[in-house]
Amino acid sequence: KNEVEQSPQNLTAQEGEFITINCSYSVGISALHWLQQHPGGGIVSLFMLSSGKKKHGRLIATINIQEKHSSLHITASHPRDSAVYICAVRATNKLIFGTGTLLAVQP
Amino acid sequence: EAGVTQFPSHSVIEKGQTVTLRCDPISGHDNLYWYRRVMGKEIKFLLHFVKESKQDESGMPNNRFLAERTGGTYSTLKVQPAELEDSGVYFCASSSPGMNTEAFFGQGTRLTVV
Repeated sequence: KNEVEQSPQNLTAQEGEFITINCSYSVGISALHWLQQHPGGGIVSLFMLSSGKKKHGRLIATINIQEKHSSLHITASHPRDSAVYICAVRATNKLIFGTGTLLAVQP
Repeated sequence: EAGVTQFPSHSVIEKGQTVTLRCDPISGHDNLYWYRRVMGKEIKFLLHFVKESKQDESGMPNNRFLAERTGGTYSTLKVQPAELEDSGVYFCASSSPGMNTEAFFGQGTRLTVV
């Protein structure tokens, strides 16, 4: 079992839908990252959080430290949101990654 | 300001050959990390430099992999001799001094060993 589990692994949505991607982890962490990777592109950091909630545009990330769970929400999804979304936790001095969620938003 | 840059973006080599990947971190970033994604698996940690010192190399798969960061600036990751299972995407990330600072990733190097 991976130390960082994401669900779902694949997600197809219609443009405009509200999307939630979940991440659970089993190790002690100092921070959690949500990352985005477009096809053929590099990895971009969306959020780094250690408690509560952060919002950036249509993206919202929450974390519950006690439950060891985080969610990434996308409101009013758009085809340009199609990408792989990766949850990674910082444990000691390195990141431990989930397998990623492949999101496809159809027009 | 330039981000993290990696070179080459793609490399195709034959089994048994040597390949050297390069990472230029963001200027002033003491922390430099190498990660790897092999086909169908999650990205995994290889090693961590703080300036020129190897802080943690617990993720290096075997002694065919050698990472250096002379002078604490750019880093190289050499695979010698390359094996088929070394194929994957190698990512470099850097972050400013400190334990819990945001990491910035390079575009990755896609290595294919045939």
